Amino acid sequence: SQQGEEDPQALSIQEGENATMNCSYKTSINNLQWYRQNSGRGLVHLILIRSNEREKHSGRLRVTLDTSKKSSSLLITASRAADTASYFCATPPLGSNYKLTFGKGTLLTVNP
Amino acid sequence: DVKVTQSSRYLVKRTGEKVFLECVQDMDHENMFWYRQDPGLGLRLIYFSYDVKMKEKGDIPEGYSVSREKKERFSLILESASTNQTSMYLCASNAETWNSPLHFGNGTRLTVT
Repeated sequence: SQQGEEDPQALSIQEGENATMNCSYKTSINNLQWYRQNSGRGLVHLILIRSNEREKHSGRLRVTLDTSKKSSSLLITASRAADTASYFCATPPLGSNYKLTFGKGTLLTVNP
Repeated sequence: DVKVTQSSRYLVKRTGEKVFLECVQDMDHENMFWYRQDPGLGLRLIYFSYDVKMKEKGDIPEGYSVSREKKERFSLILESASTNQTSMYLCASNAETWNSPLHFGNGTRLTVT
């Protein structure tokens, strides 16, 4: 069962530009998490935003959460070629820390 | 830093073989997970375990089983490998504390011929 869905599926930008990815989900959540996956590797946790938070920052990352619209966005500012990766949102269902379900991801390409 | 180690990066097996994928974590995490990742389908949860000898089915458990005899080790077993099990397999772990993020291994790319 798919909980998070990222949009767009693919995004190509130039180095220095900002990249925005969106995530929509279906049911109530405790938190929403963003992960990055470099080609052929495992996923790396980037940031977690709790359901009572609206915005969170970590370095060049900014995440927003709108629980009324069941959506989140990930903004990467001043992108670098090294940011080229797939980005996934993930949510655990209410009352569970277990069954984290992932979207299909956004493939971000940052051109030098 | 948490380390999740998967025993093989690449594996090639024949149809009908019994296949073991091993995963070890070094942070005393209670929860461990097996996902498979396929193009266009994203990550799908196969099985997870929240304690030694405890397991629960994920979304696609058919054709798989798991074993967790020790807290740090979680094995995925393909009883009789089939070509449709060719995939990238990802192991992950997290703590039982609320809002604990997942830590992933680097994956095992399994090809069944």
